[in-house]
Amino acid sequence: EVQLVESGGGLVQPGGSLRLSCAASGFTFSSYWMHWVRQAPGKGLVWVSRINSDGSSTSYADSVKGRFTISRDNAKNTLYLQMNSLRAEDTAVYYCARETQWQPSLYDYWGQGTLVTVSS
Amino acid sequence: DIQMTQSPSTLSASVGDRVTITCRASQSISSWLAWYQQKPGKAPKLLIYKASSLESGVPSRFSGSGSGTEFTLTISSLQPDDFATYYCQQYNSYPITFGQGTRLEIK
Repeated sequence: EVQLVESGGGLVQPGGSLRLSCAASGFTFSSYWMHWVRQAPGKGLVWVSRINSDGSSTSYADSVKGRFTISRDNAKNTLYLQMNSLRAEDTAVYYCARETQWQPSLYDYWGQGTLVTVSS
Repeated sequence: DIQMTQSPSTLSASVGDRVTITCRASQSISSWLAWYQQKPGKAPKLLIYKASSLESGVPSRFSGSGSGTEFTLTISSLQPDDFATYYCQQYNSYPITFGQGTRLEIK
């Protein structure tokens, strides 16, 4: 069974940092591109970042470029999102999502999400 | 960026009703459109991909259509489990963008 389990969320002050993790199981993690998608409280879904299967290529939304870094450790079956210089508008539930192998940027499995709250 | 606009934002309907949600793209995305269902406190679930292909395990009462800039999601006969929020997503180009969501509520 495919499982994606996020962790690392919490309360952080503006300007602070946080690292999210997404532990994958039930599939060959190293064969899949992975994404982060976020959802502010009561709002819609917003794509944040993606990484290719071996970690050599990444892409970011303009709103997080230069502040967030996506990475992965295929030996540990884990996806990461390092978030620096956090702002109030980064407050959201962060989901990791698996991209299908037959349609780029289409998501067939999602984690349950981890809440990041940026507030003083 | 490609803007995705859904209508209506909220839809009130009854069990057994046929409902349609519309999603418009600000430029052509061919058929690179997906629909997701999200329930409160849960992750989104893929329903439809490539505008009209039904994801495995999704009931056949869900269907999608359209191409270019205009798309629809239709639920042929609403069931109690269908009351949720629905999002369209374009995956034609980066940045990936979603519609603002359509909340389907019980009348």
